[in-house]
Amino acid sequence: AQSVAQPEDQVNVAEGNPLTVKCTYSVSGNPYLFWYVQYPNRGLQFLLKYITGDNLVKGSYGFEAEFNKSQTSFHLKKPSALVSDSALYFCAVATSGTYKYIFGTGTRLKVLA
Amino acid sequence: GAVVSQHPSRVICKSGTSVKIECRSLDFQATTMFWYRQFPKQSLMLMATSNEGSKATYEQGVEKDKFLINHASLTLSTLTVTSAHPEDSSFYICSATGGSDEQFFGPGTRLTVL
Repeated sequence: AQSVAQPEDQVNVAEGNPLTVKCTYSVSGNPYLFWYVQYPNRGLQFLLKYITGDNLVKGSYGFEAEFNKSQTSFHLKKPSALVSDSALYFCAVATSGTYKYIFGTGTRLKVLA
Repeated sequence: GAVVSQHPSRVICKSGTSVKIECRSLDFQATTMFWYRQFPKQSLMLMATSNEGSKATYEQGVEKDKFLINHASLTLSTLTVTSAHPEDSSFYICSATGGSDEQFFGPGTRLTVL
């Protein structure tokens, strides 16, 4: 069965420091991987996706993620965190040919000034 | 990018009444739409998948008669919460896809049942 794990409920980081939000997945077949951000009482905003190609994917707002097939991971990173990055982050996986996403449980990022 | 809207953004209703939430794809034809439910501080739970012109496919544990989904056109899907009760209070989010693997999400509807 497909699954996504976000092992950290919350990540705290100081403004200006690099941040990492972790995501691991389990699928049969080739994974399609996504990161979304959610601000309070809002829908999901797309950050980036990996379908195929380069393992390092660059997305919106300076975020990037690295697809690691051997570790079945797709961690979200940013070199220098901003207070405005504080939000809820979701990792999602789908498999080729299906449109259904499986979401992780979300990680709350708190960037401290 | 593709835009999905939801209406209303917020609704408060009395217990026992029905509430309809609309989800529209504004600049693309949505062959498939999804309805999710999100409880406070929790992840999105897929409720159902709807394809234009056919019956929705509900996830296990989701009551079909409680959550009526209609996908009458390639740009509109509706979710009707029938005989709503306080436990139905939640944040409902729709998404749409035009045939690619990427879903585009609406801004969500906050339902409060008194």
